[in-house]
Amino acid sequence: ELKVEQNPLFLSMQEGKNYTIYCNYSTTSDRLYWYRQDPGKSLESLFVLLSNGAVKQEGRLMASLDTKARLSTLHITAAVHDLSATYFCAVDILYSGGGADGLTFGKGTHLIIQP
Amino acid sequence: DTAVSQTPKYLVTQMGNDKSIKCEQNLGHDTMYWYKQDSKKFLKIMFSYNNKELIINETVPNRFSPKSPDKAHLNLHINSLELGDSAVYFCASSQDVRDYRAKNIQYFGAGTRLSVL
Repeated sequence: ELKVEQNPLFLSMQEGKNYTIYCNYSTTSDRLYWYRQDPGKSLESLFVLLSNGAVKQEGRLMASLDTKARLSTLHITAAVHDLSATYFCAVDILYSGGGADGLTFGKGTHLIIQP
Repeated sequence: DTAVSQTPKYLVTQMGNDKSIKCEQNLGHDTMYWYKQDSKKFLKIMFSYNNKELIINETVPNRFSPKSPDKAHLNLHINSLELGDSAVYFCASSQDVRDYRAKNIQYFGAGTRLSVL
């Protein structure tokens, strides 16, 4: 059974600081995703990482993937209040028959950024 | 235009009732999904449906059944509702599932908050 573990699950930080969220997964994955969810809202795709060493950046967020270590990180640089949200990493694995069984999510990191 | 739309947004019902949640996507995607998010915000895949092929998470009770009248719709039917079914249900869709080199980003609906009393 595929397992995805995120840490920390809760993070309170001050504006202007840097921090990293970690995502470990238990088996070889074809693709790794980061999603953002605001309270009471839907999930918004942030990054898709397809290969070992992949790095994607958008604004103050940067995601990376190490498939050998089965580890992805989401780094926040100079945090601002607007980045407060819950961040999920997720992986999916293609069945040999070609279909996919959907995403397996981590438990999410609830991030609060205080002024 | 909303890419993935779900109705209703809120659903309050009594134990034992049967209810449905509708989902439509206008993205032209081939694959649709249902996820359940519980009170602790944990998200779990329930079903994926692609070209008439249904893949079911084995932990989903058979009281839950997806119905797809066409490629753009995947509705969720729930029979004999139980208290533990209370959650937020998200529909999603994606393209390029069979191409492992593709991004296969899943686009999520706004969610349906189901409360069983």
